[in-house]
Amino acid sequence: GAGVSQSPSNKVTEKGKDVELRCDPISGHTALYWYRQRLGQGLEFLIYFQGNSAPDKSGLPSDRFSAERTGESVSTLTIQRTQQEDSAVYLCAKQGAGGANVLTFGAGSRLTVL
Amino acid sequence: GEDVEQSLFLSVREGDSSVINCTYTDSSSTYLYWYKQEPGAGLQLLTYIFSNMDMKQDQRLTVLLNKKDKHLSLRIADTQTGDSAIYFCADSSASKIIFGSGTRLSIRP
Repeated sequence: GAGVSQSPSNKVTEKGKDVELRCDPISGHTALYWYRQRLGQGLEFLIYFQGNSAPDKSGLPSDRFSAERTGESVSTLTIQRTQQEDSAVYLCAKQGAGGANVLTFGAGSRLTVL
Repeated sequence: GEDVEQSLFLSVREGDSSVINCTYTDSSSTYLYWYKQEPGAGLQLLTYIFSNMDMKQDQRLTVLLNKKDKHLSLRIADTQTGDSAIYFCADSSASKIIFGSGTRLSIRP
C-alpha cells in the first residue's frame, strides 16, 4: 500500500530504559519526518531525512534522542535513558514525490514512561 | 526560526461557517497546508495551497492566503458534527515542514 507503518503502536517503559521506535514508509520515499505530539498538544518537529541523511536535527530535544535511516527506507528513533516527559505519541511521515510535498502520516507510536 | 501559530479553540453552531486562522513567519514558504486529526486517528491532509495563490476552493472548504501578512485561513461552510476535530496549519519551506499547535473545532447543536 501507500501508507506508513510504525511500531510498536504502544510502548510502556520504566524511566531510565532505552526505547526504539520504528518507521517503515513502505513504498519508500526520499523524505521522511519524525514529530512528537504530547497529550493535547500540537506537533513538535524532531528531525527529517532526505535519503539517508538528516539535514536538520534541530528539533531533537536532547542528546538522549537519536535517529537513523538506512536504504532510504526504514527509520529508527532511539530514546536513551527515558524520562517521564518523553511520554508522547511519536509520529512518522513520508513526503510525497509530487511537487506539493504532502505528508502521509503513520498511526504513531504511543510511548508511556512510568 | 520558523513558527506557525493558531488559536487553540473554536466553537460554532451546526450549519454555520467555521473560520480557522493561522499565521506563519517563514518568508520562503512554498506550500501551506491544512491537516485534520480526528479523535484517536492520525493526521490526514485536508487541502493545501501554493504560495503564489490567494485562494483555493474545494467543495465546502475555502483556503485564503495573504502572503503579505503571512496569514492563512480555512473556511468550512455548513459545518457538520463530523467536522469536529483538531485542524493543523503547516508551512513548507526549503528546509522542513512545521506545524502549528492545532485548533480544536467543536460543534454546538
